[in-house]
Amino acid sequence: AQTIHQWPVAEIKAVGSPLSLGCTIKGKSSPNLYWYWQATGGTLQQLFYSITVGQVESVVQLNLSASRPKDDQFILSTEKLLLSHSGFYLCAWRPGGREQYFGPGTRLTVL
Amino acid sequence: GQQVQQSPASLVLQEGENAELQCNFSSTATQLQWFYQSPGGSLVSLLSNPSGTKHTGRLTSTTVTKERRSSLHISSSQTTDSGTYLCAIPPSNTNKVVFGTGTRLQVLP
Repeated sequence: AQTIHQWPVAEIKAVGSPLSLGCTIKGKSSPNLYWYWQATGGTLQQLFYSITVGQVESVVQLNLSASRPKDDQFILSTEKLLLSHSGFYLCAWRPGGREQYFGPGTRLTVL
Repeated sequence: GQQVQQSPASLVLQEGENAELQCNFSSTATQLQWFYQSPGGSLVSLLSNPSGTKHTGRLTSTTVTKERRSSLHISSSQTTDSGTYLCAIPPSNTNKVVFGTGTRLQVLP
């Protein structure tokens, strides 16, 4: 069975500090991977997707970047956090164009 | 691009009542998925229903593709059903997924 993990579970960071959020999926090779962001009380927005190692497509620009250094790993990062980056970050995978499955999420608070 | 609207925005029920949630989308959809988002934020897939009617437990989803709408019926609601219900549609032939605005359901004991 496939499992998807996200780390950390929660982060409190200062404005201007760097950020790195991770997502790993186990039990599935070459998954399509996705990053989503949700502001408190807001709609889920897709940020990035990746269909293969080293290839990432941006959907919404939020002064964030993503990378896929390994087949089972998807990283979301920025060198300088903004207050507007606060929210809930979700990683998901999608087998062959069908349903999406989500990780447990990372709650980020930027102060 | 694809737009997804859900209604009602919020709904309050007494335990045991039924709920009817709606999802309307602006462009043709070959896939549609309903999710439950807990108050803590985690998402759970409920149903994948691109067309027709599907049942699982107390949930029934009916999607009328040509009318670009889908509904989610929750029968005999329970307090544990409280949370936000989201529909999501990936536009055809792309990896871009659009989520609806959500329906916040509160079931009172």
